[in-house]
Amino acid sequence: DAGVTQSPTHLIKTRGQQVTLRCSPKSGHDTVSWYQQALGQGPQFIFQYYEEEERQRGNFPDRFSGHQFPNYSSELNVNALLLGDSALYLCASSLTPYTEAFFGQGTRLTVV
Amino acid sequence: AQSVAQPEDQVNVAEGNPLTVKCTYSVSGNPYLFWYVQYPNRGLQFLLKYITGDNLVKGSYGFEAEFNKSQTSFHLKKPSALVSDSALYFCAVRDGSGNTGKLIFGQGTTLQVKP
Repeated sequence: DAGVTQSPTHLIKTRGQQVTLRCSPKSGHDTVSWYQQALGQGPQFIFQYYEEEERQRGNFPDRFSGHQFPNYSSELNVNALLLGDSALYLCASSLTPYTEAFFGQGTRLTVV
Repeated sequence: AQSVAQPEDQVNVAEGNPLTVKCTYSVSGNPYLFWYVQYPNRGLQFLLKYITGDNLVKGSYGFEAEFNKSQTSFHLKKPSALVSDSALYFCAVRDGSGNTGKLIFGQGTTLQVKP
């Protein structure tokens, strides 16, 4: 079982650019959530996808968008990058929207 | 508003001694509580959860947690600490009263186990 996999592991972008992060959930999991973890802080919920729809969204601007594909994999897109978007982005999958989440290793995004 | 508090930024303990990492929560409805551990440059690993039932929950790597409803606490414990337990620990809560899968995390507690 490969667990939750994310790509890329590291990424450097310039302010104003756009970025796409990818996530493959754990085998058998159909729910994917995305979190942002700034340095020295706990993860903050961005949104959750289930049945290819955004089910719930945290307090993040519309610059943050996502997608879930029929195979349950997911993408996180961030437009018009700001320096403050620099963080570790974590993807988590679960069997249902309500069961424990299993996290990937994260994508470290640095905006310069 | 829902929230999780981890009052200690860092906990230091000697190897072989018992450890406790504290967590208190505030949530409407029944709480669903979780503990995760994060090693440097890694994602979060699930340790244990409380949904309902016995107040003492056993999890991975010898960890356990005690749910106390009256004190709204969910402290993580281990009878005998290992150096390899040194990591960043997060408590999280999910609101059990609503139709939500969102996890709310505390700020994290760094556990340092010294030989």
